[in-house]
Amino acid sequence: ELKVEQNPLFLSMQEGKNYTIYCNYSTTSDRLYWYRQDPGKSLESLFVLLSNGAVKQEGRLMASLDTKARLSTLHITAAVHDLSATYFCAVDGDDDMRFGAGTRLTVKP
Amino acid sequence: DGGITQSPKYLFRKEGQNVTLSCEQNLNHDAMYWYRQDPGQGLRLIYYSQIVNDFQKGDIAEGYSVSREKKESFPLTVTSAQKNPTAFYLCASGTGTGELFFGEGSRLTVL
Repeated sequence: ELKVEQNPLFLSMQEGKNYTIYCNYSTTSDRLYWYRQDPGKSLESLFVLLSNGAVKQEGRLMASLDTKARLSTLHITAAVHDLSATYFCAVDGDDDMRFGAGTRLTVKP
Repeated sequence: DGGITQSPKYLFRKEGQNVTLSCEQNLNHDAMYWYRQDPGQGLRLIYYSQIVNDFQKGDIAEGYSVSREKKESFPLTVTSAQKNPTAFYLCASGTGTGELFFGEGSRLTVL
């Protein structure tokens, strides 16, 4: 059974700082997705990573995928308050999509 | 505009009642999914369907039922057998091999 683990689950950081969120998964897959969720809202797609070594960047966020290590990272550069949200990674299994527990990010002034 | 529409956005249910959450998509996606999210938690898969007239149980299917009579529609019924139904329910659709697109969610509260 595919398992997806994220860490940290909670992250409080100051504006201007850098940090990385990690997503590990248990079985072979080369399709991984990152989503953002604001409180009380639905999930918004951020990145689609479809091959080993894939790297995508959007603004202050950069995601990468290492399928051999079964690891994806979401790197935050010079955080700003608007990035405060919960971030989920999801891995495409045989028939369904498995989500990590989410990382709740709070960016403080 | 293409997208996924869930209704109602908020729903209150008395204990012992069945309720049905609607999910409609016009993205021409084959696959549709229902997830449950509890406060501060991740998403847990209830049911999914890869094709019309076929669906599979996810991790927490007990107390729920679905149907997939049309490609566009995947309604979820929360039955009285579901002992703790208060949660945020998210419907999603996808091509089956790619990213998921989510509806705005339905928040169910049991009174």
